[in-house]
Amino acid sequence: DQQVKQNSPSLSVQEGRISILNCDYTNSMFDYFLWYKKYPAEGPTFLISISSIKDKNEDGRFTVFLNKSAKHLSLHIVPSQPGDSAVYFCAVRDYGKLTFGQGTILTVHP
Amino acid sequence: DTGVSQDPRHKITKRGQNVTFRCDPISEHNRLYWYRQTLGQGPEFLTYFQNEAQLEKSRLLSDRFSAERPKGSFSTLEIQRTEQGDSAMYLCASSQGTGWGEQYFGPGTRLTVT
Repeated sequence: DQQVKQNSPSLSVQEGRISILNCDYTNSMFDYFLWYKKYPAEGPTFLISISSIKDKNEDGRFTVFLNKSAKHLSLHIVPSQPGDSAVYFCAVRDYGKLTFGQGTILTVHP
Repeated sequence: DTGVSQDPRHKITKRGQNVTFRCDPISEHNRLYWYRQTLGQGPEFLTYFQNEAQLEKSRLLSDRFSAERPKGSFSTLEIQRTEQGDSAMYLCASSQGTGWGEQYFGPGTRLTVT
């Protein structure tokens, strides 16, 4: 059973517009959520995180929203830039180990 | 400030052979993690160490897999009698502190079993 799901395998966005990546999880006991970005031939890079005591965390162009009742989190990137093109993974932290979604390939067109 | 390094970056082996991968974490990090990533999936947790102690192992880590971190610094992951299903990217990550700090990933070792 997949505890973390990213239902959109890919997303294509025009430069300057908003990118919204979505993630659903199944276990309401999860209390810390993260987004990682991955370029080809590199390991995942930490992007932004949020604790379950918050519903929003912002860092520059990146904002993560958490809806605990819906067990849903999303990552907003505004404005999107071509350099943001990568695979984005959401993850939950469970006593240290990370459980990842399948990833969403984001392509930002100039 | 060097990041997490992994060696080799690529490994091609024949089915039935043994392979060993090495991970060097960020120097002051006391936790080290191994993950495996197959095509179209996110990384899956295999095991983690706090200093030299292996504290958790996933059920994905069959008895053909063994991981060590003998002096609490670098770690090795060995796969014995490799199978084609072992073909994947093997990722190492490290983190610091007594709490659960952010995990920093290495570039991975891509294993191909022919």
